[in-house]
Amino acid sequence: EVQLQQSGAELVRPGTSVKLSCKVSGDTIIAYYMHFVKQRPGQGLEWIGRIDPEDDSTKYAKKFKNKATLTADTSSNTAYLKLSSLTSEDTATFFCTKSGGGFAYWGQGTLVTVSS
Amino acid sequence: DIQMTQSPASLSASLGETVTIQCRASEDIYSGLAWYQQKPGKSPQLLIYGASSLQDGVPSRFSGSGSGTQYSLKISSMQTEDEGVYFCQQGLKYPPLTFGSGTKLEIK
Repeated sequence: EVQLQQSGAELVRPGTSVKLSCKVSGDTIIAYYMHFVKQRPGQGLEWIGRIDPEDDSTKYAKKFKNKATLTADTSSNTAYLKLSSLTSEDTATFFCTKSGGGFAYWGQGTLVTVSS
Repeated sequence: DIQMTQSPASLSASLGETVTIQCRASEDIYSGLAWYQQKPGKSPQLLIYGASSLQDGVPSRFSGSGSGTQYSLKISSMQTEDEGVYFCQQGLKYPPLTFGSGTKLEIK
């Protein structure tokens, strides 16, 4: 059974960075693109970008190009999302999801709270 | 960017009622559309992909249809467990991949 296990909740200071992880089990990470999605409290879903773990190529939504960095470690079957220069607008739950005919597999989400 | 306009924003339905949610794309997405259900505090769950293909394990009362720019999700007989927020998503042309704004479905 394919599972995506995300790292735990983070409380971070404004202006700092945070790196979230998404570990895939039950499948190899190089088989699919890994995507990350943002959801602010009570709001909709916003696509951040995706990485191809086979060659580390990435695509980002324009608004996240200077905010998010996607990486992957094939040896640990894990994808990462780094968020920089954090502000209150970055307070949200971040999901990882695996592509293939729709997003059938999702992580449980990581809540990032930006507060001083 | 392809914009996804979803309607209605919210609705309430009685048990056993048929429910329809609409999604309109700003350009032809050639059936590259998926539907998700999300419950409070949970990850989205894939219901439909390719506009009309039912994801494994999803009850058959859910169905998707449409083509071009107009798509819909139908629940043929509303059940209590169908309460939640529903999102459409286009995956044909990205970046960016885009979602509809969501429809909150409640039991009347």
